[in-house]
Amino acid sequence: DVKVTQSSRYLVKRTGEKVFLECVQDMDHENMFWYRQDPGLGLRLIYFSYDVKMKEKGDIPEGYSVSREKKERFSLILESASTNQTSMYLCASRTGTSETGELFFGEGSRLTVL
Amino acid sequence: DAKTTQPTSMDCAEGRAANLPCNHSTISGNEYVYWYRQIHSQGPQYIIHGLKNNETNEMASLIITEDRKSSTLILPHATLRDTAVYYCIVKGGYQKVTFGTGTKLQVIP
Repeated sequence: DVKVTQSSRYLVKRTGEKVFLECVQDMDHENMFWYRQDPGLGLRLIYFSYDVKMKEKGDIPEGYSVSREKKERFSLILESASTNQTSMYLCASRTGTSETGELFFGEGSRLTVL
Repeated sequence: DAKTTQPTSMDCAEGRAANLPCNHSTISGNEYVYWYRQIHSQGPQYIIHGLKNNETNEMASLIITEDRKSSTLILPHATLRDTAVYYCIVKGGYQKVTFGTGTKLQVIP
């Protein structure tokens, strides 16, 4: 079975802390994505990566950065967490060799910033 | 990416067909229609996609109008496990994938 694994299902952090959300996929996919999901707003794209060491801003990149040092791992970084970053974060991956490749999602990481 | 419009919510009786509409009037010629669903507390799951022909798989059928400005996802015999939020997305090539707010489908016993 294909798998996208997010390191933490639930996290509680304090305002100003640095937060790392890790995502690992075992499908050798080139493309990886980070979304956040909030009630009434659907899924919003934060950052995506077409390949190792490549990254592009999504629709709401402010306050976030990403790292893709290895093909299987895509990390989302909150340099200084704020309460408005309390959300569900979803990682996804997709093959880069087909234009119609489907997205595979992880189970999500629910972050609470106090 | 073309924008999509979906109803906020729908109900369907268990065992009946669920027909979920999606409008995408600004779709471009090379853009596909995709459907995903998200069951509570899980990540979204791919259902089906199509370009202009109708498509069917083990989960659902996708009907795309001839002008491609709208589509309908059909779950032929809805079960309680189909209660979820359903997202319609249009995307071409290697464009980034943008989700809207979807349709919340409630299957009623």
